[in-house]
Amino acid sequence: AQSVSQHNHHVILSEAASLELGCNYSYGGTVNLFWYVQYPGQHLQLLLKYFSGDPLVKGIKGFEAEFIKSKFSFNLRKPSVQWSDTAEYFCAVNNPLSGGYNKLIFGAGTRLAVHP
Amino acid sequence: DGGITQSPKYLFRKEGQNVTLSCEQNLNHDAMYWYRQDPGQGLRLIYYSQIVNDFQKGDIAEGYSVSREKKESFPLTVTSAQKNPTAFYLCASSISGGGGQPQHFGDGTRLSIL
Repeated sequence: AQSVSQHNHHVILSEAASLELGCNYSYGGTVNLFWYVQYPGQHLQLLLKYFSGDPLVKGIKGFEAEFIKSKFSFNLRKPSVQWSDTAEYFCAVNNPLSGGYNKLIFGAGTRLAVHP
Repeated sequence: DGGITQSPKYLFRKEGQNVTLSCEQNLNHDAMYWYRQDPGQGLRLIYYSQIVNDFQKGDIAEGYSVSREKKESFPLTVTSAQKNPTAFYLCASSISGGGGQPQHFGDGTRLSIL
């Protein structure tokens, strides 16, 4: 069965530090990859997605993620975090050929706390 | 503004009671989903519906039921058979049920047992 692993459950950074959140998935076939973010008190929203093409994907708010097929990874990065990036981040994987429906497999999430 | 509305925001249930969580979307999306979020476990799929009058079980459907009588509505009933219902419930929708479509989420309903 497909699974998604997020290595860090809690990350604490100071403002202006660089961020990298790890995400690995188990499925070896064609995948679509997503990062979602949940700010305190807000709904889950899409940060960025990868379907095909350039493996380096740019998202909102200065985030980017790199798809490395050989490592089954889709790590999220930001060169300089801000206090407003404090949130929970979820990696998700979808197999576009999975029986014709849009089943997302989510990782357990990473809670990021950024201190001013 | 288009979006997904979940109500209520907080819900309390007595032992042995069924409760229904509401989910309405005005995005004209065909597909809708219910997830359960528990600390440290991410989101797990309860039920999904690709189209009106059709729905399928997800990974943890036991103790839950749904209906999809209207395109914009996908209510979830937590029955007394669900032994551990305390959780945060999220409703989502996507343009279609086809693979790869981003899902849009509501604000969630937090269910607690009295």
